Amino acid sequence: VQLVESGGALVRPGESLRLSCEGSGYAFGTYSMNWVRQAPGKGLEWVSYITNSANRVFYADSVRGRFTMSRDNARNSLYLQMDSLTAEDTGLYYCATSINTPSDFAVDYWGQGTLVTVSS
Amino acid sequence: DIVMTQSPATLSVSPGEGATLSCRASQSVGTNLAWYQQRRGQAPRLLIYGASTRAIGIPARFSGSGSGTEFTLTISSLQAEDFAIYFCQQYKHWPPRLTFGGGTKVDIK
Repeated sequence: VQLVESGGALVRPGESLRLSCEGSGYAFGTYSMNWVRQAPGKGLEWVSYITNSANRVFYADSVRGRFTMSRDNARNSLYLQMDSLTAEDTGLYYCATSINTPSDFAVDYWGQGTLVTVSS
Repeated sequence: DIVMTQSPATLSVSPGEGATLSCRASQSVGTNLAWYQQRRGQAPRLLIYGASTRAIGIPARFSGSGSGTEFTLTISSLQAEDFAIYFCQQYKHWPPRLTFGGGTKVDIK
Protein backbone atom coordinates (compact mmCIF):
# COMPACT_ATOMS: atom_id res chain seq x y z
CA VAL A 1 0.00 0.00 0.00
CA GLN A 2 1.36 3.37 -0.96
CA LEU A 3 -0.14 6.84 -0.88
CA VAL A 4 1.72 9.66 -2.59
CA GLU A 5 0.61 13.26 -2.27
CA SER A 6 1.58 16.06 -4.62
CA GLY A 7 0.65 19.61 -5.48
CA GLY A 8 1.88 21.46 -2.43
CA ALA A 9 3.39 24.89 -3.09
CA LEU A 10 3.96 28.42 -1.83
CA VAL A 11 0.93 30.57 -2.60
CA ARG A 12 -0.34 34.00 -1.59
CA PRO A 13 -3.37 34.57 0.66
CA GLY A 14 -6.59 34.34 -1.32
CA GLU A 15 -5.13 32.07 -3.97
CA SER A 16 -6.10 28.50 -4.80
CA LEU A 17 -4.26 25.19 -4.90
CA ARG A 18 -5.17 21.62 -5.84
CA LEU A 19 -3.61 18.70 -4.02
CA SER A 20 -3.53 15.16 -5.37
CA CYS A 21 -2.98 11.79 -3.75
CA GLU A 22 -2.35 8.64 -5.75
CA GLY A 23 -2.91 5.26 -4.15
CA SER A 24 -1.31 2.02 -5.22
CA GLY A 25 -0.92 -1.53 -4.00
CA TYR A 26 -4.52 -1.95 -2.94
CA ALA A 27 -8.10 -1.67 -4.23
CA PHE A 28 -8.27 2.12 -4.06
CA GLY A 29 -11.95 2.34 -5.00
CA THR A 30 -12.99 0.09 -2.12
CA TYR A 31 -11.96 2.39 0.68
CA SER A 32 -12.90 5.81 1.99
CA MET A 33 -10.23 8.48 2.29
CA ASN A 34 -9.31 11.35 4.60
CA TRP A 35 -7.19 14.47 4.40
CA VAL A 36 -5.40 15.41 7.62
CA ARG A 37 -3.10 18.42 7.98
CA GLN A 38 -0.37 19.46 10.37
CA ALA A 39 0.78 23.04 10.82
CA PRO A 40 4.57 23.39 11.30
CA GLY A 41 5.53 22.15 14.75
CA LYS A 42 1.89 21.61 15.69
CA GLY A 43 -0.59 18.78 16.11
CA LEU A 44 -2.86 16.98 13.68
CA GLU A 45 -6.11 18.40 12.30
CA TRP A 46 -8.67 16.38 10.35
CA VAL A 47 -9.69 18.24 7.19
CA SER A 48 -12.11 16.13 5.19
CA TYR A 49 -13.48 12.66 4.40
CA ILE A 50 -14.92 11.02 1.30
CA THR A 51 -16.68 7.69 0.97
CA ASN A 52 -15.34 5.07 -1.44
CA SER A 53 -18.00 5.92 -4.02
CA ALA A 54 -17.71 9.67 -3.43
CA ASN A 55 -21.42 9.88 -2.67
CA ARG A 56 -20.73 11.59 0.65
CA VAL A 57 -18.10 14.16 1.58
CA PHE A 58 -17.62 15.87 4.93
CA TYR A 59 -15.42 18.76 6.03
CA ALA A 60 -14.04 20.32 9.16
CA ASP A 61 -15.68 23.63 10.04
CA SER A 62 -12.37 25.44 9.39
CA VAL A 63 -12.39 24.55 5.69
CA ARG A 64 -16.06 24.02 4.81
CA GLY A 65 -17.09 26.24 1.91
CA ARG A 66 -13.47 26.79 0.80
CA PHE A 67 -12.16 23.25 0.21
CA THR A 68 -13.59 20.57 -2.07
CA MET A 69 -12.58 16.94 -1.78
CA SER A 70 -13.11 14.56 -4.70
CA ARG A 71 -11.77 11.32 -6.12
CA ASP A 72 -11.36 9.49 -9.41
CA ASN A 73 -11.33 5.77 -8.72
CA ALA A 74 -10.41 4.99 -12.33
CA ARG A 75 -7.19 6.91 -11.78
CA ASN A 76 -6.68 5.72 -8.16
CA SER A 77 -6.56 9.38 -7.25
CA LEU A 78 -7.85 11.67 -4.53
CA TYR A 79 -7.99 15.45 -4.76
CA LEU A 80 -8.34 18.47 -2.51
CA GLN A 81 -9.24 21.74 -4.18
CA MET A 82 -8.36 24.56 -1.79
CA ASP A 83 -9.71 28.05 -2.47
CA SER A 84 -9.46 31.34 -0.59
CA LEU A 85 -6.36 30.15 1.22
CA THR A 86 -5.19 31.90 4.38
CA ALA A 87 -2.03 31.69 6.47
CA GLU A 88 -3.89 29.34 8.83
CA ASP A 89 -4.03 26.77 6.03
CA THR A 90 -0.24 26.45 6.02
CA GLY A 91 0.93 22.95 6.80
CA LEU A 92 1.75 19.46 5.69
CA TYR A 93 -1.27 17.78 4.11
CA TYR A 94 -1.58 14.01 4.42
CA CYS A 95 -3.97 11.71 2.65
CA ALA A 96 -4.84 8.69 4.75
CA THR A 97 -7.07 5.65 4.63
CA SER A 98 -8.29 2.84 6.83
CA ILE A 99 -7.81 -0.62 5.36
CA ASN A 100 -7.35 -2.99 8.29
CA THR A 101 -9.50 -1.38 10.98
CA PRO A 102 -13.30 -1.45 11.42
CA SER A 103 -13.55 2.33 11.37
CA ASP A 104 -13.00 4.68 8.44
CA PHE A 105 -11.38 7.08 10.89
CA ALA A 106 -8.78 4.94 12.64
CA VAL A 107 -6.46 5.35 9.69
CA ASP A 108 -3.65 2.86 9.26
CA TYR A 109 -2.12 4.09 6.00
CA TRP A 110 -0.74 7.58 5.47
CA GLY A 111 1.15 9.29 2.72
CA GLN A 112 4.30 11.27 3.44
CA GLY A 113 2.49 14.58 3.01
CA THR A 114 2.73 17.58 0.71
CA LEU A 115 3.62 21.03 2.05
CA VAL A 116 1.32 24.00 1.55
CA THR A 117 2.65 27.42 2.51
CA VAL A 118 0.37 30.45 2.37
CA SER A 119 2.32 33.67 2.69
CA SER A 120 2.53 37.08 1.08
CA ASP B 1 -16.48 19.62 18.96
CA ILE B 2 -15.05 17.13 21.41
CA VAL B 3 -11.82 18.45 22.91
CA MET B 4 -9.06 15.92 23.52
CA THR B 5 -6.51 16.80 26.22
CA GLN B 6 -3.26 14.86 26.53
CA SER B 7 -0.94 14.80 29.51
CA PRO B 8 1.82 15.28 30.17
CA ALA B 9 3.00 17.44 27.28
CA THR B 10 6.49 15.96 27.61
CA LEU B 11 7.59 12.76 29.29
CA SER B 12 11.27 12.02 29.89
CA VAL B 13 11.99 8.32 30.15
CA SER B 14 15.13 6.20 30.23
CA PRO B 15 15.43 3.39 27.68
CA GLY B 16 14.06 0.18 29.12
CA GLU B 17 11.66 1.97 31.44
CA GLY B 18 7.90 2.10 30.99
CA ALA B 19 5.74 5.10 30.12
CA THR B 20 2.11 5.95 30.72
CA LEU B 21 0.41 8.57 28.56
CA SER B 22 -3.03 9.99 29.29
CA CYS B 23 -5.80 11.33 27.09
CA ARG B 24 -9.03 12.88 28.30
CA ALA B 25 -12.12 13.67 26.21
CA SER B 26 -14.43 16.60 26.98
CA GLN B 27 -17.40 14.24 26.61
CA SER B 28 -17.79 10.50 26.31
CA VAL B 29 -16.45 8.94 23.12
CA GLY B 30 -17.13 5.36 24.19
CA THR B 31 -14.20 3.35 22.85
CA ASN B 32 -13.93 5.34 19.61
CA LEU B 33 -10.36 6.29 20.41
CA ALA B 34 -7.12 5.79 18.50
CA TRP B 35 -3.47 6.38 19.34
CA TYR B 36 -0.82 7.36 16.81
CA GLN B 37 2.96 7.60 17.00
CA GLN B 38 4.79 10.22 14.98
CA ARG B 39 8.55 10.02 14.71
CA ARG B 40 10.48 13.10 13.63
CA GLY B 41 10.00 13.81 9.96
CA GLN B 42 7.58 10.93 9.45
CA ALA B 43 3.86 10.50 8.95
CA PRO B 44 1.75 9.33 11.88
CA ARG B 45 1.53 5.60 12.48
CA LEU B 46 -1.58 3.96 13.92
CA LEU B 47 -0.84 2.08 17.15
CA ILE B 48 -4.20 1.43 18.79
CA TYR B 49 -7.84 1.69 17.72
CA GLY B 50 -11.05 0.96 19.57
CA ALA B 51 -9.20 2.21 22.67
CA SER B 52 -7.41 -1.10 23.19
CA THR B 53 -6.87 -3.03 19.95
CA ARG B 54 -3.35 -3.01 18.56
CA ALA B 55 -3.06 -2.27 14.87
CA ILE B 56 -1.40 -4.81 12.61
CA GLY B 57 2.35 -5.05 13.20
CA ILE B 58 2.39 -3.07 16.44
CA PRO B 59 4.55 -4.65 19.14
CA ALA B 60 2.92 -6.02 22.27
CA ARG B 61 4.77 -3.48 24.44
CA PHE B 62 2.14 -0.96 23.34
CA SER B 63 -1.21 -1.27 25.08
CA GLY B 64 -4.26 0.94 25.33
CA SER B 65 -7.03 1.09 27.88
CA GLY B 66 -9.98 3.19 28.94
CA SER B 67 -13.45 4.15 27.80
CA GLY B 68 -15.76 7.10 28.03
CA THR B 69 -13.58 10.11 28.77
CA GLU B 70 -10.35 8.68 30.21
CA PHE B 71 -7.77 6.76 28.17
CA THR B 72 -4.23 5.53 28.67
CA LEU B 73 -1.47 4.40 26.35
CA THR B 74 1.15 2.31 28.09
CA ILE B 75 4.54 1.53 26.62
CA SER B 76 6.45 -1.09 28.53
CA SER B 77 10.24 -1.09 28.30
CA LEU B 78 10.85 1.78 25.85
CA GLN B 79 13.07 1.06 22.89
CA ALA B 80 15.13 3.66 21.03
CA GLU B 81 12.58 3.84 18.23
CA ASP B 82 9.75 4.64 20.67
CA PHE B 83 11.01 8.14 21.42
CA ALA B 84 8.48 10.15 19.44
CA ILE B 85 5.28 12.17 19.76
CA TYR B 86 2.05 10.37 20.53
CA PHE B 87 -1.40 11.64 19.62
CA CYS B 88 -4.83 10.43 20.66
CA GLN B 89 -7.83 10.88 18.35
CA GLN B 90 -11.55 10.43 18.86
CA TYR B 91 -13.88 9.33 16.10
CA LYS B 92 -17.20 9.08 17.87
CA HIS B 93 -19.48 11.07 15.65
CA TRP B 94 -21.20 10.46 12.35
CA PRO B 95 -21.09 12.66 10.29
CA PRO B 96 -17.42 12.78 11.21
CA ARG B 97 -16.02 15.47 13.47
CA LEU B 98 -12.66 13.91 14.27
CA THR B 99 -10.44 15.63 16.78
CA PHE B 100 -6.89 14.96 17.97
CA GLY B 101 -5.17 15.66 21.24
CA GLY B 102 -2.26 18.06 21.34
CA GLY B 103 0.29 15.27 21.70
CA THR B 104 2.73 13.92 24.27
CA LYS B 105 6.41 14.01 23.40
CA VAL B 106 8.35 11.09 24.85
CA ASP B 107 12.01 11.94 24.98
CA ILE B 108 15.15 10.37 26.33
CA LYS B 109 15.96 11.07 29.97
